Amino acid sequence: EDKVVQSPLSLVVHEGDTVTLNCSYEVTNFRSLLWYKQEKKAPTFLFMLTSSGIEKKSGRLSSILDKKELFSILNITATQTGDSAVYLCAVDSQGAQKLVFGQGTRLTINP
Amino acid sequence: SAVISQKPSRDICQRGTSLTIQCQVDSQVTMMFWYRQQPGQSLTLIATANQGSEATYESGFVIDKFPISRPNLTFSTLTVSNMSPEDSSIYLCSVGGGGSFYEQYFGPGTRLTVT
Repeated sequence: EDKVVQSPLSLVVHEGDTVTLNCSYEVTNFRSLLWYKQEKKAPTFLFMLTSSGIEKKSGRLSSILDKKELFSILNITATQTGDSAVYLCAVDSQGAQKLVFGQGTRLTINP
Repeated sequence: SAVISQKPSRDICQRGTSLTIQCQVDSQVTMMFWYRQQPGQSLTLIATANQGSEATYESGFVIDKFPISRPNLTFSTLTVSNMSPEDSSIYLCSVGGGGSFYEQYFGPGTRLTVT
C-alpha cells in the first residue's frame, strides 16, 4: 500500500526562524511529489518535484527531492505569521495523478 | 493555473438526506478528481471523474453513496447520498492536465456538516 509520512506533525516557532518540514514516501511507481499549503479549506499548490537534487525555489520557500532515499524537504526561511498553516505533501504514485497525501505538518509561527 | 469554483461553500444537512456539490473550471481539463478531508485528517481521494464515462472509485468508496457526473470538460458534480454524521467533511474537487507530470489544483472546498 502506498504511504506518505510527514514529520513533524506539529511545529511551533518564532517569527524569523527557519523551518524544515519532512516528507518520506513508499510508493510502487513514483511519478512526482507535490507540496501544498492549507490555511482554511483549499490546499494551495507550492511545488511539484520530479527529479532528484534539483531545488525548487519560490521566495522564502524551497524544496528538494531525494529519489534514492525516498524523501523530500520543504524549507521556509525568515518565517512570518502568514506562513502559519498546514503543509501537505502528496505523491502521484500511479501516473494517473491520483495523489496520496501525508498527514500534514501544522506550522504555527508566533510573533 | 485553472480557476476552480465550488458550490455550495458550506452546508448543514440532516441525516438521511443527499447533497450535490458542483465543481466548475474556467477551462477545459482532462482530469477532475474528488477528495474528502474528514475533521483533523488529511485528504483522501474518492474518485476520478471521467468525461463521457463512469467515474473511477477508490477503495472504500462506492457509486451508490457518492454518485458523480462529468457531463463536459469544465464541470462535475459529486452527490453525497443518504448522509450520516460520519459524512461531515470538507469535499474538494481538483483538476489536473494530461501528460506525464502535471500540477494539480484544488477548488475552494465545500464544508459539509451532517446533523
